[in-house]
Amino acid sequence: AQSVAQPEDQVNVAEGNPLTVKCTYSVSGNPYLFWYVQYPNRGLQFLLKYITGDNLVKGSYGFEAEFNKSQTSFHLKKPSALVSDSALYFCAVRDGEAAGNKLTFGGGTRVLVKP
Amino acid sequence: NAGVTQTPKFRVLKTGQSMTLLCAQDMNHEYMYWYRQDPGMGLRLIHYSVGEGTTAKGEVPDGYNVSRLKKQNFLLGLESAAPSQTSVYFCASSLTPGRGSPLHFGNGTRLTVT
Repeated sequence: AQSVAQPEDQVNVAEGNPLTVKCTYSVSGNPYLFWYVQYPNRGLQFLLKYITGDNLVKGSYGFEAEFNKSQTSFHLKKPSALVSDSALYFCAVRDGEAAGNKLTFGGGTRVLVKP
Repeated sequence: NAGVTQTPKFRVLKTGQSMTLLCAQDMNHEYMYWYRQDPGMGLRLIHYSVGEGTTAKGEVPDGYNVSRLKKQNFLLGLESAAPSQTSVYFCASSLTPGRGSPLHFGNGTRLTVT
């Protein structure tokens, strides 16, 4: 079985400061990891993914994430947060052995960037 | 390019009523999914389809049925709505093959069952 944990319900950060949203995962096979962002009354939008290769992956809107196999983590980062980054962020994992291309999502972390 | 379109956007049902949620995608994706989103629980997979004419159960399939008669459409049915089915429902689609394919989401249907 695959699972994802996002330990923080909410992260508050001042505009211009670094932003980190934490994610840990559990899979039996190779992990395929994703970050999505959700703005109010909208569906989830894809930010970035890790499949293989470099542990640091870069995505949309200046976001990046670091894959750490030994810690089974995939934390989302942004060097300088913007007020417009305030949204709900979801980490998701797909097990390389699982059928159906199914993603399992974490519970989400609300990010509030204050001016 | 519309992407993934869900109808309706909002619906209020009384307990025991039935309804169908429609999802349409214009990206020629093989895989389609229905998720429900509840506060603090992330998204949970209800049913999914790996191609036209196929469906399979996800994590929380009870009380729902689905059909994929056409590649571009994926319908979610509630036969007898219950208050526990009050939620926001999202449809998504993805390419295949490749487990690196991201999901493309619709904007959701907010359902309230009274």
